[in-house]
Amino acid sequence: EAQVTQNPRYLITVTGKKLTVTCSQNMNHEYMSWYRQDPGLGLRQIYYSMNVEVTDKGDVPEGYKVSRKEKRNFPLILESPSPNQTSLYFCASSLYAWSGYSNQPQHFGDGTRLSIL
Amino acid sequence: TQLLEQSPQFLSIQEGENLTVYCNSSSVFSSLQWYRQEPGEGPVLLVTVVTGGEVKKLKRLTFQFGDARKDSSLHITAAQPGDTGLYLCAGAFDPGTASKLTFGTGTRLQVTL
Repeated sequence: EAQVTQNPRYLITVTGKKLTVTCSQNMNHEYMSWYRQDPGLGLRQIYYSMNVEVTDKGDVPEGYKVSRKEKRNFPLILESPSPNQTSLYFCASSLYAWSGYSNQPQHFGDGTRLSIL
Repeated sequence: TQLLEQSPQFLSIQEGENLTVYCNSSSVFSSLQWYRQEPGEGPVLLVTVVTGGEVKKLKRLTFQFGDARKDSSLHITAAQPGDTGLYLCAGAFDPGTASKLTFGTGTRLQVTL
């Protein structure tokens, strides 16, 4: 089954304790992205990746890191989490990234709910 | 950062009623998508519109892209409880990176019996 898998689904942790949220897709997609979803603010993009070893900042990258060493995986790293990073996080992927392929559905994972105390 | 405004933010209606949700921007979209999100799940794509003035229908849902490609609407006819969810519009502003989407803040729809 084609899917985007995030782990963990839920995490409660404390300020300053490094954490990683994994994201894996089995569709051989080029483009992957991380979003956070907060009430009243919608989905905001954190980082995105056009392909392996190609990553770029989205709209809210502060406090986050990513890597894209393999096409299927795109982990989100919080080196020193803070309470303002408490949020619902989504990973998404789409087949292509470049122009000429504008009809690109993004396939989303089921989300990771992070609580930073 | 381009902004996408959706209205209304919340909508509570009874089964059988019609409704329209709007998505507006001050910038021109290269393409626009509508997603629906249910609790505990990620957004799921409903439709993509690309051409100004384009109208697409998906059963009881009608999607329209404005002539100037700065706005879009989603119309639901005879709403059913299964239509309940968060509706999100998402625009691509740069055709060079068509997958980089900016999402609206969403319209939360509740349809009751």
